[in-house]
Amino acid sequence: NAGVTQTPKFQVLKTGQSMTLQCAQDMNHNSMYWYRQDPGMGLRLIYYSASEGTTDKGEVPNGYNVSRLNKREFSLRLESAAPSQTSVYFCASSEKGSGNQPQHFGDGTRLSIL
Amino acid sequence: RKEVEQDPGPFNVPEGATVAFNCTYSNSASQSFFWYRQDCRKEPKLLMSVYSSGNEDGRFTAQLNRASQYISLLIRDSKLSDSATYLCVVNIRDRGSTLGRLYFGRGTQLTVWP
Repeated sequence: NAGVTQTPKFQVLKTGQSMTLQCAQDMNHNSMYWYRQDPGMGLRLIYYSASEGTTDKGEVPNGYNVSRLNKREFSLRLESAAPSQTSVYFCASSEKGSGNQPQHFGDGTRLSIL
Repeated sequence: RKEVEQDPGPFNVPEGATVAFNCTYSNSASQSFFWYRQDCRKEPKLLMSVYSSGNEDGRFTAQLNRASQYISLLIRDSKLSDSATYLCVVNIRDRGSTLGRLYFGRGTQLTVWP
C-alpha cells in the first residue's frame, strides 16, 4: 500500500519554465491538498480539492493551478516558475474534506527555481 | 494573530527526560486537533489525535483545554529517536464555508541527546 505518491522527488527549473507536480493516492480518499513548506514558515496550503470535481484556493494560490484529474490524482502546475516558488511541496489526502480527519502526506518534491 | 501558534524551541533534553509542548489556537469553534511529527527533510506524519478527555499513547500524552484554547503534548522517558519537529494541527472552518480545513503550526523542534 503506497499511500500518497509524489513525482518528481527533486526538480531544478529556470525562471519562466513551467512544470507539473504529480500526486496520486491509493487510499480511496475524497479530499486532496497541496502545501508548500519554507524554512520558518511552516506548511502553507496552496490549493485543495474537497472531492472529485472541485478545487478551491488555499492561503497562497498565486502562481499555481491545480487539476483534480480523478479521485486518485491531484496535480499542481507552475505556469511560469519564479525563484520565490523555490520550496518543498507536499501533497496530502484525507478521507473527507471536513477538516475533522487527519491528512496523510506524500514524501515531498524539492523544487529549486534558478 | 496566527490561527495556530507554537513555541518554536529548540528544546534540547537528555535521554529519559520528560518534555512538554504547548500550542494555542485562535478559533473557539475548532473541533479536531492533532499532533504530527516531522523528521528532518521528511514528510509530516500523524503522531496522535487529541481528544477532549485527553489521551495517551505509550510515552505520549495529549491534552486539550478548550476554555483556554490550547493543546499540549507530553513526552515521557525521551528517546534519541524522539528528536524531530512536532507540529500542532487544528481544524478551522473558513468564514462562509461549510468545510473546515487543517491549519498547521510552525512546529517545535526537539533534540534528545545521549
